[in-house]
Amino acid sequence: DQQVKQNSPSLSVQEGRISILNCDYTNSMFDYFLWYKKYPAEGPTFLISISSIKDKNEDGRFTVFLNKSAKHLSLHIVPSQPGDSAVYFCAVNSNSGYALNFGKGTSLLVTP
Amino acid sequence: EAGVAQSPRYKIIEKRQSVAFWCNPISGHATLYWYQQILGQGPKLLIQFQNNGVVDDSQLPKDRFSAERLKGVDSTLKIQPAKLEDSAVYLCASSSQGAGGNTIYFGEGSWLTVV
Repeated sequence: DQQVKQNSPSLSVQEGRISILNCDYTNSMFDYFLWYKKYPAEGPTFLISISSIKDKNEDGRFTVFLNKSAKHLSLHIVPSQPGDSAVYFCAVNSNSGYALNFGKGTSLLVTP
Repeated sequence: EAGVAQSPRYKIIEKRQSVAFWCNPISGHATLYWYQQILGQGPKLLIQFQNNGVVDDSQLPKDRFSAERLKGVDSTLKIQPAKLEDSAVYLCASSSQGAGGNTIYFGEGSWLTVV
C-alpha cells in the first residue's frame, strides 16, 4: 500500500519556466517532508525539506509548499535549468524516528 | 566532511550465488539505513540500525538477506542465495538521529545484477 504517491512519472519543462512536481500522502501522522534529487548512477541527494508547522519553505530557486488538509506537497523550481533534469523523489516521515517513506519519483526533463 | 561510502559500486552474479555490500556512514551518524531501489520505484527500507541495534527490519526478506552493524559504525548487507528479483540498487544512508525531523544522507549505491 503506497503511502506516498507521485502520480506523474515524468515532466518536461522549457528552460526558464517553472517546474511543479506534486506529491500526495495518505497518513496524517506524517509531519516531516523532504524532496530528494537523483541523477543516473548516483544516490539520491537531499534538496529541501519542510516540517508540518510550516506551509512553505524556500531555498534559492526551490520552494516546497505543504497543504496538510489536502495531504499534498509540491516542489516548485523557478527558473528551471537544464541541470535540474533528474528524478525527484518525495519522502515523508514522522517524528517517531522511523525511516523515510519514498514515492516512486518524477523524472524531470528541462529542455533548452 | 566525507559522505556515505559504499562498495562495491557494481556487481553481477548468477542466481543462487551470494553477495555482500559494505557501507561506512558519515562520521558521527548514529543511524544507518539500507534501502533497496528497483528500477522505476522509489527506495524501499530494508533495515534501520540505531548504533549497533536494529530499529526496523520488517521489510527485510530474512530468509535470504542479512545485515549487521558491528561496533555501531560500518555495516554489511548480505544476500544468499540471490534471486533474479534482487537486481536493484542497494543504497546505504545515515542520519545523526532517527529520521524523525532529520535529513537522511545517501551513498552512491551498489548496483546488483543477478543473471
